[in-house]
Amino acid sequence: QQQVKQSPQSLIVQKGGISIINCAYENTAFDYFPWYQQFPGKGPALLIAIRPDVSEKKEGRFTISFNKSAKQFSLHIMDSQPGDSATYFCAAPCLFTSGTYKYIFGTGTRLKVLA
Amino acid sequence: GAVVSQHPSWVICKSGTSVKIECRSLDFQATTMFWYRQFPKQSLMLMATSNEGSKATYEQGVEKDKFLINHASLTLSTLTVTSAHPEDSSFYICSVRNPGLGGNEQFFGPGTRLTVL
Repeated sequence: QQQVKQSPQSLIVQKGGISIINCAYENTAFDYFPWYQQFPGKGPALLIAIRPDVSEKKEGRFTISFNKSAKQFSLHIMDSQPGDSATYFCAAPCLFTSGTYKYIFGTGTRLKVLA
Repeated sequence: GAVVSQHPSWVICKSGTSVKIECRSLDFQATTMFWYRQFPKQSLMLMATSNEGSKATYEQGVEKDKFLINHASLTLSTLTVTSAHPEDSSFYICSVRNPGLGGNEQFFGPGTRLTVL
């Protein structure tokens, strides 16, 4: 079973600080790496995703960095806010034996931003 | 994005009963839907892939006779937990991929909290 290793497991950041979450994958069906944000009791929401044609993607305060040779990608949250406190999951697409693909999710990072 | 709804949002049932959870894709037709299970403070685990008009594909270790999946239309998939037991208590979440956005983006429903007494 393919794995996606995510770290840290939990993270506490002061308001205005930078939150950094890292993920490493083994093999992928193709290069597309999404990040999800999940609040307690809610379904995960697609936050941002990166495709293979760029090594970095920025959307507002959220940035994904991608290092293909190292098989790693990371999420940076700039100017972290208390409202960003949630659990974040990275994911990587892995091949099914049938030729289709499924997303394997990281173990999650619980972020708490202190006011 | 994609709008995915689930019903009910939570359910409490007695051990031995069956529970049906509905997942609807509200803004596009989904030939494939995915069912995940999430235990407290854990990651998302794919249970099965629901295919419209054909049998679902189950992940290793997931009992197909216990978790019945029906994908009768392009906008509706149902997951029935048969003879539920306390260990089935979990957060069940369905998901769809929107082919209109390149096909890679996957969107989740709001989830269904199942508690089996």
